[in-house]
Order: sequence, then C-alpha cells, then structure tokens
Amino acid sequence: QQQVKQSPQSLIVQKGGIPIINCAYENTAFDYFPWYQQFPGKGPALLIAIRPDVSEKKEGRFTISFNKSAKQFSLHIMDSQPGDSATYFCAADYSGGGADGLTFGKGTHLIIQP
Amino acid sequence: DAGVTQSPTHLIKTRGQQVTLRCSPKSGHDTVSWYQQALGQGPQFIFQYYEEEERQRGNFPDRFSGHQFPNYSSELNVNALLLGDSALYLCASSRQGASETQYFGPGTRLLVL
Repeated sequence: QQQVKQSPQSLIVQKGGIPIINCAYENTAFDYFPWYQQFPGKGPALLIAIRPDVSEKKEGRFTISFNKSAKQFSLHIMDSQPGDSATYFCAADYSGGGADGLTFGKGTHLIIQP
Repeated sequence: DAGVTQSPTHLIKTRGQQVTLRCSPKSGHDTVSWYQQALGQGPQFIFQYYEEEERQRGNFPDRFSGHQFPNYSSELNVNALLLGDSALYLCASSRQGASETQYFGPGTRLLVL
C-alpha cells in the first residue's frame, strides 16, 4: 500500500522556470513532511520540511505548500538552475519517528534545461 | 562536522552469500535507520536502532538483521542473498526526540549475481 503518492514522475523545465512537484498522503497521523534531493550515485539530502501547523515554508529558493484538508503538499523551486537537476522525493512520518520510518514517494526526475 | 558515512561503497556478491554493511552516524546523533532503495524507486524502511536495540521494523524478512554498537555505529546484515536484494542500501541518522529528521549517508551499492 503506497501511502505517499508523488507526481509527476518526470519533469523538464527551462532555466528560471518554477518546477512544481506534488505529493498526496493517506495517513492522517503523519505530521512531518520532508523533501529530499538525490543526485545520481549519492544518498538523499534533506532540503526542507514542514509540519501541518503552517501552510507554507520557504528556505532559499525552495518553498513547500501544505494543504491539510486535502492531504496534499508540494515543492516549488524558484529561479530553477541546471544544478537543480536531480531526483526529488517527498516523504512523511510521525513526530518522534513512526513505526515505519520515513515513508517516501516514488520520486520525480527533474531536468532543468539551460 | 562529519556527516553519515557508510562502507563499503560498492559490493558484489552471489546468491546465497551473506553480506555486512556498516554505518557511522552524524556527530551528535544516536539513532540509526536503514533503508533499501531499488533502482528508480524511493527508499524503503528496513529498521531503526536506538540504544543498541531494534526499535522499529519495516516489511522485510528476518534475513535482514542489524546491530548497533555503544558508539552508535551500526551494521546491516543480509543472509541468504537473493537477486532481488540488489539495491542501494542507505543509512540515516537522527537524534532521539527528533528521530523523524533523518540525514542520509551516500549508501552502499549491492549487486547480487
């Protein structure tokens, strides 16, 4: 049972554009939603995370929007650069760590064209 | 400040063999989680160790076992390897009390022939 659904599977955006990656979750007990960035041959790197008490969080060029009633959250990358080309994963967990660890989406392969 | 380190970086085994992977957590972290990432997929939770005990376990068979040492480092052991065990094995560390905030190592790429 996939508890976190991520879309799109792949995305191509021109430099300077704003790629948007969406995730939906099923388990209402989740209360921690991180995004990870992974380059080929590397481990996932924590980008930004949000909790349900806020609807938006910004860190640098990365913004998470969160819709608790719809059980959806999304990642926006402002002024995207070719160096942002990577695979992005959304995830979900419970505060203090849940019984199943982090539950990941299947990933979005993002390409930023120069 | 050293991040999460893992060894070896790559490993090739044959079916039926056993393998041990190692992980050192980020400085100040006391909790270690292991994940399996198949090609083109998101990581899947195997188990988590804290205070040298397995706290939580995902949907993986008993062939997957682990250990945590007093210095918080950890090992993942896989017995009776199957072709389907070929994957990137990731270690993540965190602090107890904030164990959902996990930092990943570079992973060990395991190929089973």
